[in-house]
Amino acid sequence: KAGVTQTPRYLIKTRGQQVTLSCSPISGHRSVSWYQQTPGQGLQFLFEYFSETQRNKGNFPGRFSGRQFSNSRSEMNVSTLELGDSALYLCASSPGTLGGNEQFFGPGTRLTVL
Amino acid sequence: GNSVTQMEGPVTLSEEAFLTINCTYTATGYPSLFWYVQYPGEGLQLLLKATKADDKGSNKGFEATYRKETTSFHLEKGSVQVSDSAVYFCALSGFQAGTALIFGKGTTLSVSS
Repeated sequence: KAGVTQTPRYLIKTRGQQVTLSCSPISGHRSVSWYQQTPGQGLQFLFEYFSETQRNKGNFPGRFSGRQFSNSRSEMNVSTLELGDSALYLCASSPGTLGGNEQFFGPGTRLTVL
Repeated sequence: GNSVTQMEGPVTLSEEAFLTINCTYTATGYPSLFWYVQYPGEGLQLLLKATKADDKGSNKGFEATYRKETTSFHLEKGSVQVSDSAVYFCALSGFQAGTALIFGKGTTLSVSS
């Protein structure tokens, strides 16, 4: 099976712009989660989608949003970019929605905000 | 609130040394516990997990036991190799519905020959 894929792998934007990141989960996985990784804050949970519905959301401002499509592919959007949004954004998929389920991570999208 | 605390790195060891990376957690209910590893230039991958108290997760010579009484999930390996050099993350889930993970800050392990 193909792993989790994320596009694009690298992105450079300027403050005030918006950005959309894409994630394709492993075939058959219906749960998709997004995380932000920075040197200062580490790995932080953004949100989780299952069957096109947001199940959980972390403590991020409303500028961060996401959605999931019927084929389980997911996108996240960040509007009005700030310098502090520079980070590695990781997508993870899981076959189910139980806490004990393993999450399979993609390689990430490196976002740089200038 | 729910949180994971793991020892600060970097941890520097010689090949064949014994490894311990401490991890403690704070959580309501009965979380599942994980160790994820991030090798240089690669994505996060699951190393091992435990879903209930006293469970021992093991993989590639690494072990960790879910200790509810001490709220700990320390990672150990009897003899490290250069190829084990990576960043190790302790994490928990089950604090809310779904698979969302709370991660520790990560511990960088460097093994020299």
